[in-house]
Amino acid sequence: GQQLNQSPQSMFIQEGEDVSMNCTSSSIFNTWLWYKQDPGEGPVLLIALYKAGELTSNGRLTAQFGITRKDSFLNISASIPSDVGIYFCAGITQGGSEKLVFGKGTKLTVNP
Amino acid sequence: DSGVTQTPKHLITATGQRVTLRCSPRSGDLSVYWYQQSLDQGLQFLIQYYNGEERAKGNILERFSAQQFPDLHSELNLSSLELGDSALYFCASSVGSSGSETQYFGPGTRLLVL
Repeated sequence: GQQLNQSPQSMFIQEGEDVSMNCTSSSIFNTWLWYKQDPGEGPVLLIALYKAGELTSNGRLTAQFGITRKDSFLNISASIPSDVGIYFCAGITQGGSEKLVFGKGTKLTVNP
Repeated sequence: DSGVTQTPKHLITATGQRVTLRCSPRSGDLSVYWYQQSLDQGLQFLIQYYNGEERAKGNILERFSAQQFPDLHSELNLSSLELGDSALYFCASSVGSSGSETQYFGPGTRLLVL
């Protein structure tokens, strides 16, 4: 089945630094989504991307839908302590039975 | 707050038992999705219901079943529980039936099987 390779697995950064994480796949996706999950909570949708090449921002977050439809990245600028959490990419497949497939997550730690 | 509610928040039970997890979707959403999140497997899609009917199936075990009721709330039934079923179970909802819509997640039910 479809798999998403998300990297890096974890990141340790200083407050104020920029962060970049990405997801790649051998399959084509119609939609890319980025979620953040805080401990003990459900994933919260950050950004949704629907078109190849689309670049979308949400505050300090910017995400792009890759031209090949097989990848996406998420950037966080000027990180703050509340950015701590696990970030998941998710993709919705093209054609057939459309299901949401998740990456394994990137655990972000921000040191004040 | 996503608008999706799940109960209970925590559940502790023994192997061989059966439990029922409940989910109420956001107002106006017709689709409900169930996911299992374990440490080593990440988020795994289990099943989707749309307006009372099963719409898509993922990696759901035969010991697990779900249904969506006329008021659109959904229940996930887990039976003959095993230690490996310990995980977070999330429900999500979306407006329509297409998997290309964004989904909003509930806070989850943490299941511990002893």
